[in-house]
Amino acid sequence: QQQVKQSPQSLIVQKGGISIINCAYENTAFDYFPWYQQFPGKGPALLIAIRPDVSEKKEGRFTISFNKSAKQFSLHIMDSQPGDSATYFCAASMGSNTGKLIFGQGTTLQVKP
Amino acid sequence: KAGVTQTPRYLIKTRGQQVTLSCSPISGHRSVSWYQQTPGQGLQFLFEYFSETQRNKGNFPGRFSGRQFSNSRSEMNVSTLELGDSALYLCASIRDRGYNEQFFGPGTRLTVL
Repeated sequence: QQQVKQSPQSLIVQKGGISIINCAYENTAFDYFPWYQQFPGKGPALLIAIRPDVSEKKEGRFTISFNKSAKQFSLHIMDSQPGDSATYFCAASMGSNTGKLIFGQGTTLQVKP
Repeated sequence: KAGVTQTPRYLIKTRGQQVTLSCSPISGHRSVSWYQQTPGQGLQFLFEYFSETQRNKGNFPGRFSGRQFSNSRSEMNVSTLELGDSALYLCASIRDRGYNEQFFGPGTRLTVL
């Protein structure tokens, strides 16, 4: 119940295309869903996050879509660029009184020029 | 503001030894969390500290411990090192506002020989 399942494990997209990464969870107590981007040799960087009271959040080329009834959320990267090539992690946590994030297994994105 | 600082960046130890890792959070942040990142298990929560008190703990053996000081700096210690402890250890600085946005440091790469 504490798991967050992420797919696909790896993704190859052409420059200018749309990258889509999906995550699913079981625990309905989760109420905060961030996405992190990690480059080799670096720590994960917070990209964008959503709460279950909204169905979509957009920041620049990055959009989170959230489906509360299906217990799924996804990251869409529009106009993907080679500089977006990185590993992406979805995560979930419960409540404002915890810093415990449950992470998905990660998706390695390669954007081909 | 300066980001999260972790020291040292790299460590090589042998089995049976112990190690102490340090983390300085973003100025003004009172909470830190620690994660272990490995290729096989991904990102796993170790523990979280808020105002010098452990607020949450993950499913790791007692060989893993941590503490937080009055200036919010945190340390984690691993005793009796095992080969499987080789990992990237990440510290996150938590902004205590609503949903605990977490900002990761670059990590400490620990290799156990």
